[in-house]
Amino acid sequence: AQSVTQLGSHVSVSEGALVLLRCNYSSSVPPYLFWYVQYPNQGLQLLLKYTSAATLVKGINGFEAEFKKSETSFHLTKPSAHMSDAAEYFCAVSRPPGGYNKLIFGAGTRLAVHP
Amino acid sequence: DAGVIQSPRHEVTEMGQEVTLRCKPISGHDYLFWYRQTMMRGLELLIYFNNNVPIDDSGMPEDRFSAKMPNASFSTLKIQPSEPRDSAVYFCASRPVDGNYGYTFGSGTRLTVV
Repeated sequence: AQSVTQLGSHVSVSEGALVLLRCNYSSSVPPYLFWYVQYPNQGLQLLLKYTSAATLVKGINGFEAEFKKSETSFHLTKPSAHMSDAAEYFCAVSRPPGGYNKLIFGAGTRLAVHP
Repeated sequence: DAGVIQSPRHEVTEMGQEVTLRCKPISGHDYLFWYRQTMMRGLELLIYFNNNVPIDDSGMPEDRFSAKMPNASFSTLKIQPSEPRDSAVYFCASRPVDGNYGYTFGSGTRLTVV
């Protein structure tokens, strides 16, 4: 079985501060990992993905995440928060073909950015 | 590309009524997924299709829920009869088979059963 845990349901940062959203996974085999963002009343948008290539993955809007197998983590970071980054962020995990094809989501972290 | 298109955006219905949610995936995407999002349970995978064939419906909560994909460009999720606890946002997503496992989500249907 595989799952993903997001630490912290709410994170609040000041504009210009570092954003760090935490995600830990459990999987019996190397997983594929994803971060999605959801703005109010919208669907989920893919920020970035790790699919067993480079462990440091760069995404859209200045976000990046690093896959650390030893820590079973895939934390999302952004050096400087903007007001427009306020949204809910979801970490998700799946396993390549040969296993099941589902994308399993974490509970989400709501990011607030204040002036 | 218009993305994944869901209709309606909002649906309010009375308990006991039949509800049909619709989804048009991105052309050429071989996989289609239905998710439900609630505050209590987060994002739950209900069912997914590959080449119009249902592959895994283990997430469908009850027999009141059914999903079909009659062709590559259309899928429906039906609830009959609907209950207040079915109130949620229902998302459809699709992805291609080429190894890029990022999904493209629709904007969702917000269902309220009163």
